[in-house]
Amino acid sequence: KNEVEQSPQNLTAQEGEFITINCSYSVGISALHWLQQHPGGGIVSLFMLSSGKKKHGRLIATINIQEKHSSLHITASHPRDSAVYICAVEPGSQGNLIFGKGTKLSVKP
Amino acid sequence: DGGITQSPKYLFRKEGQNVTLSCEQNLNHDAMYWYRQDPGQGLRLIYYSQIVNDFQKGDIAEGYSVSREKKESFPLTVTSAQKNPTAFYLCASSGLGTGFGYTFGSGTRLTVV
Repeated sequence: KNEVEQSPQNLTAQEGEFITINCSYSVGISALHWLQQHPGGGIVSLFMLSSGKKKHGRLIATINIQEKHSSLHITASHPRDSAVYICAVEPGSQGNLIFGKGTKLSVKP
Repeated sequence: DGGITQSPKYLFRKEGQNVTLSCEQNLNHDAMYWYRQDPGQGLRLIYYSQIVNDFQKGDIAEGYSVSREKKESFPLTVTSAQKNPTAFYLCASSGLGTGFGYTFGSGTRLTVV
């Protein structure tokens, strides 16, 4: 069993829809990261969370440490949000990350 | 602008040849990492370094080697001992300890023929 599980694997939405991507993990962590990978491979860090909730524009990330679960929400989705969204956890203080397999999001106009 | 530069973006090599991937950062980050990405799999850690002249193996270090002679640079050599080297390679850096966000490079796609 993978230590970081994301769902769904693939997601297709219509422009304007509210989107939720889930991440569950099985190890103790010091932080959780949400990353965005566009075609071509470059990765951008969206959020780093150790508790609670963070918001940046139309993106919201939440984490429940007790339940070992995090969600990434996109409000008013747009075709430019189409990308692979990756959840990753830091299992200790050294900074190494354990990655989920990613959720491929496609937003149709 | 601060960031990570990986080069080249695409690389083709013949089987049996060693190849070195470059990773340079100007963020003054102490820690640097190399990850490998295969289709349908999460990124996996190859090597990491938290300080100059020191580095540790990750989960899939066999067939790879690294050096950290300068804080800014963390090159990865894919040796002929790596059985399946065709993959996408990502370099990343961060400050030490929790609370320092990651910065990722744009990646190098290596194809061995």
